[in-house]
Amino acid sequence: GDSVTQMEGPVTLSEEAFLTINCTYTATGYPSLFWYVQYPGEGLQLLLKATKADDKGSNKGFEATYRKETTSFHLEKGSVQVSDSAVYFCALGYQGGSEKLVFGKGTKLTVNP
Amino acid sequence: EAGVAQSPRYKIIEKRQSVAFWCNPISGHATLYWYQQILGQGPKLLIQFQNNGVVDDSQLPKDRFSAERLKGVDSTLKIQPAKLEDSAVYLCASSTVVGELFFGEGSRLTVL
Repeated sequence: GDSVTQMEGPVTLSEEAFLTINCTYTATGYPSLFWYVQYPGEGLQLLLKATKADDKGSNKGFEATYRKETTSFHLEKGSVQVSDSAVYFCALGYQGGSEKLVFGKGTKLTVNP
Repeated sequence: EAGVAQSPRYKIIEKRQSVAFWCNPISGHATLYWYQQILGQGPKLLIQFQNNGVVDDSQLPKDRFSAERLKGVDSTLKIQPAKLEDSAVYLCASSTVVGELFFGEGSRLTVL
């Protein structure tokens, strides 16, 4: 079945450091890929998405590129801020059918000033 | 625009008791989801509604869990009887675009 694997956390960085959170997936078809973020005390919210191979999703300085050849969708940001401290979830989903999302376990990021 | 509302935020019960969670999705969102998030894991879909019809309930433990969405708006998720392993955060989400879910803050259940 479909699955998503994220790098183990927690990740601790200093402000302005470069961030990479790895995500790989196993899929039976051609899914869309997503990154969701959960800030402390809040619900999950969509950060960015990519719907087909080689697409790049971007939002709030974060980027991720859909790499079919490596089945990856790594999240990157060039300079993190304290306000980026959150839990990040990688997910895949399909259009049509149940359209459900399959989530990874999440990676907790802490950014120190 | 009001977000997805869930209640209660926290609930503590003993095993074999029952519990119900309520969700009010964003107005106009036809698709509603209930996810279970166990500590240290990602959310897992329990049930998906399209209006008031069930689209996917393949991972819902139907011997103890039930859910309904009356009139295609609010939804209730019930657990009866609860087990220790049901301790989790129950997330409700709604959407209009595939994959773009809006989540509530969740209902945290502790089963003792």
